Amino acid sequence: AQKITQTQPGMFVQEKEAVTLDCTYDTSDQSYGLFWYKQPSSGEMIFLIYQGSYDEQNATEGRYSLNFQKARKSANLVISASQLGDSAMYFCAMREANSGTYKYIFGTGTRLKVLA
Amino acid sequence: GAVVSQHPSRVICKSGTSVKIECRSLDFQATTMFWYRQFPKQSLMLMATSNEGSKATYEQGVEKDKFLINHASLTLSTLTVTSAHPEDSSFYICSATGQGGNQPQHFGDGTRLSIL
Repeated sequence: AQKITQTQPGMFVQEKEAVTLDCTYDTSDQSYGLFWYKQPSSGEMIFLIYQGSYDEQNATEGRYSLNFQKARKSANLVISASQLGDSAMYFCAMREANSGTYKYIFGTGTRLKVLA
Repeated sequence: GAVVSQHPSRVICKSGTSVKIECRSLDFQATTMFWYRQFPKQSLMLMATSNEGSKATYEQGVEKDKFLINHASLTLSTLTVTSAHPEDSSFYICSATGQGGNQPQHFGDGTRLSIL
């Protein structure tokens, strides 16, 4: 079974509009972390935002916010005021414990295209 | 912010050559480093996890003798693709985390490997 599910292979958004990228996860751990990364066409992975399983507040970083709904096991990324430079692949990832260390599992990604 | 340097960024070589890729954490001590492989338009596939001073933990299906990983210090891990063949052509990307489970992964810029 998929541990991280991103159901939107591609999304379009008009410049200056907000967009939500979906991510659901599956874990039996009580302590886990959720991350979003951006991968432009150049290939590098850029860390955007982090949400801990015990965090009561939704994480925010500038134009990025994470809509964390623990009971639904969802961690959607909201990008406000989209810019052309936001066009990229976006990956949701979960950190889970793995034999005394940590392991990160990535979703299949969502390709976002911002339209002028 | 934390910086991870990956070198080289691009390699083109003949079949049968061994290729070494370096991953360095420049401004923090990386207790754990991860090596990923990414096929075009796909997600990151974890190959192995390496902790400083110990043997790497390989994911199922990843050949240990093919992909040699060394994590000799807290700032350097290397991946050697031995006797590379065209099917090993891919985008390889490393990441590093510091101590503490809530640390995000910091990624290198990746290495695009092309075997002729």
